[in-house]
Amino acid sequence: ETGVTQTPRHLVMGMTNKKSLKCEQHLGHNAMYWYKQSAKKPLELMFVYSLEERVENNSVPSRFSPECPNSSHLFLHLHTLQPEDSALYLCASSYQGTPPELFFGSGTQLSVL
Amino acid sequence: GIQVEQSPPDLILQEGANSTLRCNFSDSVNNLQWFHQNPWGQLINLFYIPSGTKQNGRLSATTVATERYSLLYISSSQTTDSGVYFCAVWGSARQLTFGSGTQLTVLP
Repeated sequence: ETGVTQTPRHLVMGMTNKKSLKCEQHLGHNAMYWYKQSAKKPLELMFVYSLEERVENNSVPSRFSPECPNSSHLFLHLHTLQPEDSALYLCASSYQGTPPELFFGSGTQLSVL
Repeated sequence: GIQVEQSPPDLILQEGANSTLRCNFSDSVNNLQWFHQNPWGQLINLFYIPSGTKQNGRLSATTVATERYSLLYISSSQTTDSGVYFCAVWGSARQLTFGSGTQLTVLP
């Protein structure tokens, strides 16, 4: 496999469920990102991990909990979500440094019922 | 924060036509990327272009950082070019800020 892989591709969950999104990068990068893409809105940065340390948290509600166990894997744990959290969640990776070039996965389309 | 505006918001072309997409940004930037989001949601890197001109097949891009804009040219468009084109800039906030995109539809 190459690039950035996200699973699952689609997820439907109820507001009381707990689920996790997974992202894996095979590019040898050392920074990983979560973005949210809602309908009719620009992509919004949620979290950034650099060298496995969280360096950015863009005022994201606590019902979203990221985890970065190593430089190749990134998770987004979801619990007690709201219907307005339905969106495409995109993972990206890059090399550490400024300015980086980001590479994205295919995303997880999340629907909260 | 930095503002990124893309135009036009929607564009419909006949196959074989050429087009120019524009990205304006409100502040100086250290990097600019162009992406194509296909119908399956995948964001595909087109160009990493903080300044100057680059070409890749039928696509080319020019960024004039001093005037705060970038242009993406698509020549001899094909139906597979359909999708949303995003520009994103890396500014002083040290994060990639996206525009709202241009929805391109290429008709056969």
